Amino acid sequence: QKEVEQNSGPLSVPEGAIASLNCTYSDRGSQSFFWYRQYSGKSPELIMSIYSNGDKEDGRFTAQLNKASQYVSLLIRDSQPSDSATYLCAVKGVRGGGADGLTFGKGTHLIIQP
Amino acid sequence: KAGVTQTPRYLIKTRGQQVTLSCSPISGHRSVSWYQQTPGQGLQFLFEYFSETQRNKGNFPGRFSGRQFSNSRSEMNVSTLELGDSALYLCASSRGLAGPTDTQYFGPGTRLTVL
Repeated sequence: QKEVEQNSGPLSVPEGAIASLNCTYSDRGSQSFFWYRQYSGKSPELIMSIYSNGDKEDGRFTAQLNKASQYVSLLIRDSQPSDSATYLCAVKGVRGGGADGLTFGKGTHLIIQP
Repeated sequence: KAGVTQTPRYLIKTRGQQVTLSCSPISGHRSVSWYQQTPGQGLQFLFEYFSETQRNKGNFPGRFSGRQFSNSRSEMNVSTLELGDSALYLCASSRGLAGPTDTQYFGPGTRLTVL
């Protein structure tokens, strides 16, 4: 059974600092990795996607993937109070040419302290 | 471009009843996936529909079912509701492409409360 593990937190980071969120996954066949942000009472919002080993940067966000270690991370630079939310790591495999459901971690609750 | 829409946004039902939830995907998206989110279990995949066919299914009992129409709109049905079915039900749409780059975008969800 596929598993995605995240530290539930809360992770408290001072405003302006770098927030580092981590995720490990169990299925070596996983090919797509996503970070979603979810504010309390709202639905998940896509932040980043990554498919290849290495780093992918988008504004203040950097996703890092290491398939050998089955590890995905998200760095948030210059953290803002508006970044306070739960961050969900999601993993998808591909089988039979069709799409696969996303497997989610339980999420890390991030708090940016002003 | 309009996002994923879900109706209704809130529902209150009693045990034993059935419920139908609706999802309209982003224009041009042909895949609709359904998820259940609870505080204890987190986000769990229910099933995915593509071109009116169920393409993938998670580990949920047969009380949970769905369908997709020719315009890609999808409905999810839960029969014989149980207290444990109280959750946020999320719909996500994507183009449904084969390969790793297919990306899912979530709707606002339907909050179901079973009394």
